[in-house]
Amino acid sequence: DAKTTQPNSMESNEEEPVHLPCNHSTISGTDYIHWYRQLPSQGPEYVIHGLTSNVNNRMASLAIAEDRKSSTLILHRATLRDAAVYYCILNDAGKSTFGDGTTLTVKP
Amino acid sequence: NAGVTQTPKFRILKIGQSMTLQCTQDMNHNYMYWYRQDPGMGLKLIYYSVGAGITDKGEVPNGYNVSRSTTEDFPLRLELAAPSQTSVYFCASRHRDRANTEAFFGQGTRLTVV
Repeated sequence: DAKTTQPNSMESNEEEPVHLPCNHSTISGTDYIHWYRQLPSQGPEYVIHGLTSNVNNRMASLAIAEDRKSSTLILHRATLRDAAVYYCILNDAGKSTFGDGTTLTVKP
Repeated sequence: NAGVTQTPKFRILKIGQSMTLQCTQDMNHNYMYWYRQDPGMGLKLIYYSVGAGITDKGEVPNGYNVSRSTTEDFPLRLELAAPSQTSVYFCASRHRDRANTEAFFGQGTRLTVV
């Protein structure tokens, strides 16, 4: 199974951009890269996903390396409500496994 | 739409008891999942299903059983509950199409085994 590696924790100041990295060196050609986040005491929620090209939506941007072995979730202006655990996962033929994610702390 | 609904929200079990965690979705999703999350940890996949009648083991299946008789329902059965099964359990579902694979999660079931 393809695995992802993320830093355990990151800090950001409010109103500043945040770049959350993810390594997935064993990614296969058909794996989509997904990002989810989990707010305290809630279930995970979808943030963004992509295959090869960079993606933007109202929540964030996803930058995918040309060799697809890494990706970066970009929050353009962090708010206190963005404090959460962020998970980068690869979807492989139905099986979706999560790692431990990155805990993002946003300082006012 | 209700999305993914899990019941119960909370449960306390005694060691050796059994119970079924219910999960139902109304989005006609093919794929369904059960995860557990221990305090301060990430989600671990217990079982998953790619369609009615098809189930497969995830990372931590021991002590659990599942069935998928309908597209909507994916119950998780705990037999002989143990303290190590104290955790928060999340059910999720998503569409089969790889280009449209946003997963939706339920609100979780907090289980304590004493």
